[in-house]
Amino acid sequence: DAKTTQPPSMDCAEGRAANLPCNHSTISGNEYVYWYRQIHSQGPQYIIHGLKNNETNEMASLIITEDRKSSTLILPHATLRDTAVYYCIVRSNAGGTSYGKLTFGQGTILTVHP
Amino acid sequence: KAGVTQTPRYLIKTRGQQVTLSCSPISGHRSVSWYQQTPGQGLQFLFEYFSETQRNKGNFPGRFSGRQFSNSRSEMNVSTLELGDSALYLCASRKPGTLQETQYFGPGTRLLVL
Repeated sequence: DAKTTQPPSMDCAEGRAANLPCNHSTISGNEYVYWYRQIHSQGPQYIIHGLKNNETNEMASLIITEDRKSSTLILPHATLRDTAVYYCIVRSNAGGTSYGKLTFGQGTILTVHP
Repeated sequence: KAGVTQTPRYLIKTRGQQVTLSCSPISGHRSVSWYQQTPGQGLQFLFEYFSETQRNKGNFPGRFSGRQFSNSRSEMNVSTLELGDSALYLCASRKPGTLQETQYFGPGTRLLVL
């Protein structure tokens, strides 16, 4: 699976949009971009994933660049409860022995302040 | 739909003992993966079980083992506990065979080894 690079920390004001970047310059054609977040000492929570088109759900939007080498997770109206570690993971959905393995990096600590 | 459940949630053991942790996947999910999270190493993949067979294994010593039952519930066992085994143990379930499958995590079991 491709390696990802994320900033170690970011701040955001409550009510504003939080834009979390992720670089995955070695991503290959069959690899999806997944985002999870982990609120302190809880299990990681799935947020969103995509292949090449932009995606939106009730939690967030995912913007993937045309060359697929980077992406941005957007939380449109951040709240204090969005304070968490956000992980960007690239993983193939094409099967094989690594299918069930997610490789987590250090993630981005997002702090939402009043 | 009920999420992934893990028992127990907290556990205290002493060095040299063994421990068994349990994970019940989301209904219909036949794959269970286990992860260890420590402050120093982050989230690391332990192993994955599907159809009662270990399909993938991370880089952990043989003291870490697991199994899966016919109802997809999974257990992991750590024998001869060491202080460094203190961690949050997470399991995640998924439904193999779908193109855009996603892993969903349980709340974790926090193990403290004294």
